Amino acid sequence: DAKTTQPPSMDCAEGRAANLPCNHSTISGNEYVYWYRQIHSQGPQYIIHGLKNNETNEMASLIITEDRKSSTLILPHATLRDTAVYYCIVRGRSNDYKLSFGAGTTVTVRA
Amino acid sequence: GAVVSQHPSRVICKSGTSVKIECRSLDFQATTMFWYRQFPKKSLMLMATSNEGSKATYEQGVEKDKFLINHASLTLSTLTVTSAHPEDSSFYICSATRPNEEQYFGPGTRLTVT
Repeated sequence: DAKTTQPPSMDCAEGRAANLPCNHSTISGNEYVYWYRQIHSQGPQYIIHGLKNNETNEMASLIITEDRKSSTLILPHATLRDTAVYYCIVRGRSNDYKLSFGAGTTVTVRA
Repeated sequence: GAVVSQHPSRVICKSGTSVKIECRSLDFQATTMFWYRQFPKKSLMLMATSNEGSKATYEQGVEKDKFLINHASLTLSTLTVTSAHPEDSSFYICSATRPNEEQYFGPGTRLTVT
């Protein structure tokens, strides 16, 4: 699976949009971009995933560049409860559903 | 999303004893379950992949005789840490999935070996 690069940390203000970048320049055509987050001392939580098109759900939006080498997770209105480590993961949709977690981005939402 | 539970949520055991951790998918049948461990301030590391009714596949460097995994049904997988030592103290997390769907994670089990 392709490797991803994320900034180690970022702060954002409560109520504002949080834009989390992820680089995956070696992504291959059949690999998806997944986002998970982990709130302190809890298991990871699935957020969203996408292949080529932008995706939106009740939690977030995922913007994937046309060349698919990078993406941005957008939390539209960050709350204090969004403080967590956010992981961007690239993997295929084969029978091997392994997820390789990198260091992620520690997002701190401040009041 | 789907619900995955783990039991116990935290356990303290003495060195040399064995500890069993259960992972259950509560509202779906999981064909595959995964076990991860996470040390403080570190990311999750995959330990093994478990398919119902077959032997688990362990990642390189994970001792299969020390970390026994059983996936006897589509809703239950267990991880037994045998002859636990203080260095096995960690946060153990399971996840469950079915074909072409996302992995759903349990809340984790904090193991402390004294």
